[in-house]
Amino acid sequence: QPVLTQPTSLSASPGASARFTCTLRSGINVGTYKIYWYQQKPGSLPRYLLWYKSDSDKQQGSGVPSRFSGSKDTSTNAGLLLISGLQSEDEADYYCAIWYSSTVVFGGGTKLTVL
Amino acid sequence: QLQLQESGPGLVKPSETLSLTCIVSGGSISNSNYYWGWIRQPPGKGLEWIGTIYYSGSTYDNPSLKSRVTISVDTSKNQFSLKLSSVTAADTAVYYCSRQIVGGPAELDYWGQGTLVTVSS
Repeated sequence: QPVLTQPTSLSASPGASARFTCTLRSGINVGTYKIYWYQQKPGSLPRYLLWYKSDSDKQQGSGVPSRFSGSKDTSTNAGLLLISGLQSEDEADYYCAIWYSSTVVFGGGTKLTVL
Repeated sequence: QLQLQESGPGLVKPSETLSLTCIVSGGSISNSNYYWGWIRQPPGKGLEWIGTIYYSGSTYDNPSLKSRVTISVDTSKNQFSLKLSSVTAADTAVYYCSRQIVGGPAELDYWGQGTLVTVSS
């Protein structure tokens, strides 16, 4: 079982909100980790968005709009990326990552379609 | 503004060694607040972390690649390098170099543009 699991795809309408999940493998407690999020638009390099550990311990990437935010769902052991007020330009692949056992682990990515 | 630029051959033969260099400009690779890393992305697939180096030369490696990967740093040239040995077609990917934050090494805040390396005879 992978360390981080992300749904393959997500669809949402312009102006709506999108909720991305990044589920940590059983036995790896989401509460312990900073969850990092990256955006990759087609044909472009990945862009760091933010990291979230708790409401009092989080950081927005430089220039990243406040409509991108992080959270956690401890009941499902998942990190969350929330995008409000979806725009067509948000259509991209979104990756989560953690620093686990002295390695960077990426999730498989979720493709967001804005339609 | 920090810039990272990958360089190296775009075509490597199977069983040979892939060699890439990342030149860092606009900042010092010897800054103690940062690590420097390599990430790859096979065509149409997700991101895979390869490894990370500190200016002192200490490294962190992906266990799945560890035996084939060598990452080195040259502080005098402000650059770091990747060698991946015994390559196969599965190593065909866009290779990125990045800067990572020491306080949270999964924060890769600057990326190079990436270079496509194709493994083929």
